[in-house]
Parts: sequence; C-alpha cells; structure tokens
Amino acid sequence: DIQMTQSPSSLSASVGDRITITCQASQDISNYLNWYQQKPGKAPKLLIYDASKLETGVPSRFSGSGSGTDFTFTISSLQPEDIATYYCQQYDSLPFTFGPGTKVDI
Amino acid sequence: QVQLQESGPGLVKPSETLSVICSVSGGSITSSYWSWIRQPPGKGLEWIGYSYYRGSTNYNPSLKSRVTISVDTSKNQFSLKLNSVTAADTAIYYCARVMRGSSFDYWGQGTLVTVSS
Repeated sequence: DIQMTQSPSSLSASVGDRITITCQASQDISNYLNWYQQKPGKAPKLLIYDASKLETGVPSRFSGSGSGTDFTFTISSLQPEDIATYYCQQYDSLPFTFGPGTKVDI
Repeated sequence: QVQLQESGPGLVKPSETLSVICSVSGGSITSSYWSWIRQPPGKGLEWIGYSYYRGSTNYNPSLKSRVTISVDTSKNQFSLKLNSVTAADTAIYYCARVMRGSSFDYWGQGTLVTVSS
C-alpha cells in the first residue's frame, strides 16, 4: 500500500492568514492526489482533484500543487468557516489511501 | 443533485455481520462506481472498497476476506456487508460516489456502527 503522511498534524492561525499543508507519498504517485475538507460531525468534502484542479463550487482561496511524492495544499486567506480537518488521498494504485489529516484551528 | 443516505443497525455484536445500505437519489446508480469508506471515532479515513452495478468490485486487501459490496439497481441502492466483526470495526461508515474513477465527490452523512456485546 502507498503510505501518505501529512504535516503539520495541527495548526492554529488567524483569519486572513495564508496556510500551507504538506502531503508526502511513500512512492511516486504522479499527480494522482485529492484533497478533502471535513468539518466536525460532517462527511468529508472534495476540494481539489488531480493535485491542483478545483472542484466545482469550491472557493478560489483553496489551491493545490505538486507531483511525484510531494504535494502542498494552501488556503490563501483563512476564513472562520475553514475550521476543519484536511485530508489528502492518493489514487495512483489500489487500495486508495488517505493521509492522517491536518486539523486547522483559528 | 445526487444525495446519498446510509441506514444501518447502530449496534452489532462481536463475530456477527455488519450490514449497511446506501440509498441514492437524484441520479442513477448505473452511472458510476460506488464506494464505502469508514472512520473510527476521532481517527482518520479508511477506504473499504467499491462496486459497479455490473458486478465488478475492488476491496481493500486489509478487509477483503470479510467484505462484500453489492449494487441493487431496482432500488437504486448499494450495500456493505462486513462479517466476523470485532470492536476494531467500530466506526462511522460513509457511502460515496466515485467520480473520474478516483475521487469521492458525493458522500452520505455517515452512520455510526458500534461493535459491542
């Protein structure tokens, strides 16, 4: 299985801050990576697919980049409604695997 | 707008079979692959497997010997069966649509299944 790691595991920032989360795969996964947002008590929501493509309806303050084994997820200006845990997920090979998550607080 | 809704027993005894159903509305179940993902309370996400209405399936090897995912086109539903459960199978079980063969774009709200005697 491809192992996914994320850092940091949690972060605290202020409204308006730019935040970045990194995700690393245990082997080359090209750009086969998604990012999800999960708010407390809710199901995850797809934000980014193919490492950098914004899902329809997702605000443009969210972005993703990277390829190979190293990826980044950025919120350009943190908003109160962005409080959530963020997960990366690889789909280069089965089984699909998720990172452990990054909890974002204000 | 596609909507998914899980229904499950809430509590299952150890060694028994966990069964959860996902009802799909707003779209045909023949249009996509459908998946199950679980999340132990306070922990991360684990992909269980997916199925297509024509019967093709793929399961996480960690669960493969115990899991069955099937699609019922007559009811626009798909289901998860996990047998020989233990406390380690206690989790919120989510159903989701698989888009582009790789992304989970629509999710149910999740159903908590607790394994306990």
